[in-house]
Amino acid sequence: QSALTQPPSASGSPGQSVTISCTGTSSDVGGYNFVSWYQHHPGKAPKLMIYEVNKRPSGVPDRFSGSKSGNTASLTVSGLQAEDEADYYCISYAVSNRIFGGGTKLTVL
Amino acid sequence: EVQLVQSGAEVKNPGTTVKISCRVSGYNFTDYYMHWVQQAPGKGLEWMGLVDPEDGETIYAEKFQGRVTITAITSTDTSYMELSSLRSEDTAVYYCATGSGSYYGHFDYWGQGTLVTVSS
Repeated sequence: QSALTQPPSASGSPGQSVTISCTGTSSDVGGYNFVSWYQHHPGKAPKLMIYEVNKRPSGVPDRFSGSKSGNTASLTVSGLQAEDEADYYCISYAVSNRIFGGGTKLTVL
Repeated sequence: EVQLVQSGAEVKNPGTTVKISCRVSGYNFTDYYMHWVQQAPGKGLEWMGLVDPEDGETIYAEKFQGRVTITAITSTDTSYMELSSLRSEDTAVYYCATGSGSYYGHFDYWGQGTLVTVSS
C-alpha cells in the first residue's frame, strides 16, 4: 500500500499559519478517525503532536491543530515559531496496516 | 517515567540478519502494542509491523513480510525486531514505539533509535 501523500515542503514566517495536508483513501484516512501527526527533528525521536485527527496530547501547544475532510487530513500550525522547523509526518490506521505519509519539511523563514 | 531503551548500532554484511532490542520500563509491558518503524537515510518514516505483547500476535507491513520478525518477551519487558536477508537498502535507523493508542498508530513513546548499517 502506498504512502499517504504529503507536500514535500511547506514554509511560513514567524507568527504566520501553515497547513500541511495528508491525503489517503477511503481505506485509510477517509475510513477511520485514527490519523496522528508527528514532529521529527533530525537525530531525535519523533514526537506525537496530534492523535485521532484532532486531539492534542498534554504538553503540545494549542498552536497545533488537526482536522479531516474526506480522504484528507490536515495539520495546522498557527503563530509559527523558529522551533517549529522540523519534518512532519502523518500516519493513518488501516486494516492490517499502518501507513505513514512521505513527510513534509516545514521551514520557518 | 516511561522509557524505551534500544540496543546499540550494528554493522552487518549483506545477506545476514540483525536483531534489535527495545527494553521498556515505567508501564505494564502487556498494556500496549509495540511497533517498529524504519527511517532510511534521507527518507521518511515507514511502518514495519507490530506485536501484541499480551499474546505475541503480530502484523507486518507487506514490504517487510517474510523478512521481519517482531517478538515480545514479557519476562524481560523487551521487544525484538529481527530483519533477515539484509541488503544495502536496509541501512536505516530503526525505532520502537508504543503508547495508549498504539494499536491505531498513536505513539506517545519512542525508543532512541538504532542505526543499522549494511555494508560489505
